[in-house]
Amino acid sequence: QSVLTQPPSVSGAPGQRVTISCTGSFSNIGAGYDVHWYQQLPGTAPKLLIYGYSNRPSGVPDRFSGSKSGTSASLAISGLQAEDEADYYCQSYDSRSYVFGTGTKVTVL
Amino acid sequence: EVQLVESGGGLVQSGRSLRLSCAASGFTFDDYAMYWVRQAPGKGLEWVSGISWNSDSIGYADSVKGRFTISRDNAKNSLYLQMNSLRPEDTAFYYCAKDPRYRAMIMGWFDPWGQGTLVTVSS
Repeated sequence: QSVLTQPPSVSGAPGQRVTISCTGSFSNIGAGYDVHWYQQLPGTAPKLLIYGYSNRPSGVPDRFSGSKSGTSASLAISGLQAEDEADYYCQSYDSRSYVFGTGTKVTVL
Repeated sequence: EVQLVESGGGLVQSGRSLRLSCAASGFTFDDYAMYWVRQAPGKGLEWVSGISWNSDSIGYADSVKGRFTISRDNAKNSLYLQMNSLRPEDTAFYYCAKDPRYRAMIMGWFDPWGQGTLVTVSS
């Protein structure tokens, strides 16, 4: 059972901006542990998208951005493109264990 | 280029054992913590286990504690997961992943990931 909650799905038209929330608690995000985000394209392994709340690995477009507020974090995708259609997961740390969000499917209309 | 290639998955009966391997290349393997993460078909991600660069620190998810054992052979650039007393709920794709930070482990993240190996446990 995931301790980080994400909306099951979000959708948007090409060019629009969508955001995905990751809601935790005072034992994980609220305790100051970093949040990281992964993108999983259909049939492939997850890929790191954002680390340490808002840092992008090299090669990740700046259309992807992350932020934190209290016990939650958010991933924003601006200028949505067809190739952004995928599952997205947040990840943090809690009680000596790594925890993932429930996952969000992004659909490009 | 960093590459992680898992192997050892397959179909196994409930209660039996299986050993997964992850062959690493493209980086100095013995300087980085490594992890196993699994994903049941059509479901979300679940951290399974992690091991520090020198094997001094090891952690397990509660769901596998006492049944799974992680290990590494730095001379062979390989990570392993020994899975005993397998249950149908252990059915999943198993991914190995690298901690991108030099000689760190706690509170890390996973980058990159291997392509995964499928473990199916029948009842």
